Amino acid sequence: EVVLTQSPATLSVAPGERATLSCRASQSISINLAWYQQKGGQTPRLLIYGGSTRATGVPLRFSGSVSGTEFTLTISSLQSEDFAVYYCQHYNNWPYTFGQGTKLEI
Amino acid sequence: QVHLVESGGGVVQPGKSLRLSCVASQFRFSNYPMHWVRQAPGKGLEWVAVISQDGTYRNFAESLKGRFTISRDNSENKLFLQMNSVEIEDTGVYFCARPSGGYYTPYDSWGQGTRVTVSS
Repeated sequence: EVVLTQSPATLSVAPGERATLSCRASQSISINLAWYQQKGGQTPRLLIYGGSTRATGVPLRFSGSVSGTEFTLTISSLQSEDFAVYYCQHYNNWPYTFGQGTKLEI
Repeated sequence: QVHLVESGGGVVQPGKSLRLSCVASQFRFSNYPMHWVRQAPGKGLEWVAVISQDGTYRNFAESLKGRFTISRDNSENKLFLQMNSVEIEDTGVYFCARPSGGYYTPYDSWGQGTRVTVSS
């Protein structure tokens, strides 16, 4: 089973600043990794797939990158609506697994 | 716009059974494998199970094998999760999720979830 380790668990950033979230896979998953945003009590929303491709309708301030088994989600200039929990997920093979999440707070 | 609506959650005693449903609309249901994902209170997301487009292939999280069953009815655009011998740890919100393509693609659509509480 692929273990995804997200860091940090909590990230405090001011609006307008940049946020960088990390997700490390325990083994190679190619680029089969997605990022989801979940706001309190809501359904997760797909942001990034294939490690770096923005999903439909996702603002340009969200970007993803890959280096080996290290994946990064960057939010270039935080807006108030971006404060949420972010999960990475691999879909390279069964079982799919999720990271434990990073809470992005003001 | 893809629409997924779960139902069937509620309060159930440990050791009992529960059947969750997910009704799909606004897309060709039979063209997609479908998944269940759950989230314990205050915790992260956990993949539960997947079923193929025609229902012949199924896979489960290792910890759930033998207790949960996934099925579908393509004639009614419905997905099911049969939960048997439920445990306290099965408490949480259960989402049905549609991948953007076939296997090994991310989820581009989620239902709003149905809440399951296992308690005596």
